[in-house]
Amino acid sequence: EAQVTQNPRYLITVTGKKLTVTCSQNMNHEYMSWYRQDPGLGLRQIYYSMNVEVTDKGDVPEGYKVSRKEKRNFPLILESPSPNQTSLYFCASSWGALDEQFFGPGTRLTVL
Amino acid sequence: SQQGEEDPQALSIQEGENATMNCSYKTSINNLQWYRQNSGRGLVHLILIRSNEREKHSGRLRVTLDTSKKSSSLLITASRAADTASYFCATRGNQGGKLIFGQGTELSVKP
Repeated sequence: EAQVTQNPRYLITVTGKKLTVTCSQNMNHEYMSWYRQDPGLGLRQIYYSMNVEVTDKGDVPEGYKVSRKEKRNFPLILESPSPNQTSLYFCASSWGALDEQFFGPGTRLTVL
Repeated sequence: SQQGEEDPQALSIQEGENATMNCSYKTSINNLQWYRQNSGRGLVHLILIRSNEREKHSGRLRVTLDTSKKSSSLLITASRAADTASYFCATRGNQGGKLIFGQGTELSVKP
């Protein structure tokens, strides 16, 4: 089944404790992206990747890192999480940058 | 920067009625996409309309695009209770890989 998977689905952590949210897609898509969704602010793009080893900042990249060492994986790294990073995070992928996005199920992160 | 703005923010209708949602954006685009999100879940792509297209249909969905007014509308005909969800427009510019979402319209269809 074609899908985008994210892990973990739920995470509660404390300020400053490094964490990684994994994202994997099995559709051989070139484009992958991370978004955060907050009430009243909609979805905002954090980082995106046009292909392996090619990443670029979205609208809200501060406090996040990404890497794209393999085509299928695009982990989101929070080196030192803070409470303002409490949010619902979505990973998405598509064939190319102009195409429809396939979204993962989301990761609900709480930073205390 | 928030490119897409949606109107209305919330819409409540009866089953069988039509629902219309509007999206406005600020800069030139390559395409505009509409997505649906059931509460707290991942977004599902509904329809993509390119900047050189004016109207597109998919089942009960009809999307229009007016690039001169920088606006788009999504019409859901003969709505069902199962259409209850949030609907987002997203715009893709001509350069780079950014996809910018609007804040969404929350649609409630009452049986």
